[in-house]
Amino acid sequence: GENVEQHPSTLSVQEGDSAVIKCTYSDSASNYFPWYKQELGKRPQLIIDIRSNVGEKKDQRIAVTLNKTAKHFSLHITETQPEDSAVYFCAASNADSWGKLQFGAGTQVVVTP
Amino acid sequence: NAGVTQTPKFQVLKTGQSMTLQCAQDMNHEYMSWYRQDPGMGLRLIHYSVGAGITDQGEVPNGYNVSRSTTEDFPLRLLSAAPSQTSVYFCASSYSGPPGAFFGQGTRLTVV
Repeated sequence: GENVEQHPSTLSVQEGDSAVIKCTYSDSASNYFPWYKQELGKRPQLIIDIRSNVGEKKDQRIAVTLNKTAKHFSLHITETQPEDSAVYFCAASNADSWGKLQFGAGTQVVVTP
Repeated sequence: NAGVTQTPKFQVLKTGQSMTLQCAQDMNHEYMSWYRQDPGMGLRLIHYSVGAGITDQGEVPNGYNVSRSTTEDFPLRLLSAAPSQTSVYFCASSYSGPPGAFFGQGTRLTVV
């Protein structure tokens, strides 16, 4: 089955700097890669996703890149703000079998003013 | 729209008790799913459904049952609660795959 590894587990950045979180996956059949943001005590929120037919996707200050050959994908947050502080989770799935959706263990991002 | 609504928000059970976690959505979403979240771990998929009458297992289905008699509701039943089932449970829905575009507020379950 799919195995998703996420690094780093914690990330501290200065406000205004960029943050990068990386995930690797094991199942070459995976073709959908979402990212979630979870603030303390709150529900996860889907913030961006990418499918395997594209290499990069952007949404304002957030971007995701995918390297299918190397089986890794990354979340990039530019111009970080204190409200970006949260736990971020990556996930990988095969669109033909949603039961194989696997999450990474999460990255605690702390943005300091 | 209320979105995805879970009840209860908190629950304490004794080992061996059974209970049902409720999940309802008013967005006419076909896909619904249940996850558990344990400290230091990501979410793990328990069961999911791609439409009324259709359910399937996720990564950690043991000890849990689901049914989907209507598009709106997707209850999760704990058959005989065990301390290992202490966790935060999230229900999620989406119009089409993947399961997880909209999450409920979560149910914090403690089994003693």
